[in-house]
Amino acid sequence: AQSVTQPDIHITVSEGASLELRCNYSYGATPYLFWYVQSPGQGLQLLLKYFSGDTLVQGIKGFEAEFKRSQSSFNLRKPSVHWSDAAEYFCAVGASGNQGGKLIFGQGTELSVKP
Amino acid sequence: DAGVTQSPTHLIKTRGQQVTLRCSPKSGHDTVSWYQQALGQGPQFIFQYYEEEERQRGNFPDRFSGHQFPNYSSELNVNALLLGDSALYLCASSTGTGGVQFFGPGTRLTVL
Repeated sequence: AQSVTQPDIHITVSEGASLELRCNYSYGATPYLFWYVQSPGQGLQLLLKYFSGDTLVQGIKGFEAEFKRSQSSFNLRKPSVHWSDAAEYFCAVGASGNQGGKLIFGQGTELSVKP
Repeated sequence: DAGVTQSPTHLIKTRGQQVTLRCSPKSGHDTVSWYQQALGQGPQFIFQYYEEEERQRGNFPDRFSGHQFPNYSSELNVNALLLGDSALYLCASSTGTGGVQFFGPGTRLTVL
């Protein structure tokens, strides 16, 4: 069955420190992968997406993610975290081999930023 | 350029009632998907509408139904509400069923 696992429910980092949020997926074919961010009481904003090609993808707000097929992972990274990055982050996989369609989400990782 | 809009923002209902939530897609988008996000969980796919037809459906009972209008806007209807239906309902729009999905702010439904 298709699934997404985000092992870390809550992460706290200091402002200016680097960040890595983990995402592992289970999918029978080449996945289409996404990271979304959700601020309290808000909808989801797309940070970046991977369909094919270069396994390191760049997104908005200085985020990047690397697709590693051998590890079934798509971890999100940022070299220097800002206080405004505090939010909930969701990894998602696109089902049925298309560029979207039904999205399967992980449970999310809540990011807190210490001053 | 307006993004995805949803109404109402908040809604309170009692068990057994029926509710209708509305979504207007981003300009240029023709496909609408609906998700349910329970507190502390990731969104779960309910269904997707394209060309006024339900194209994909998640694991939700028939109490959940929808509709898409010729202007691509969409409604989500939930009948016989249960306490467990309390959640944030998110609408996402895309270009075609395989397009990248852009989400609205959601409707917070509370069932008492």
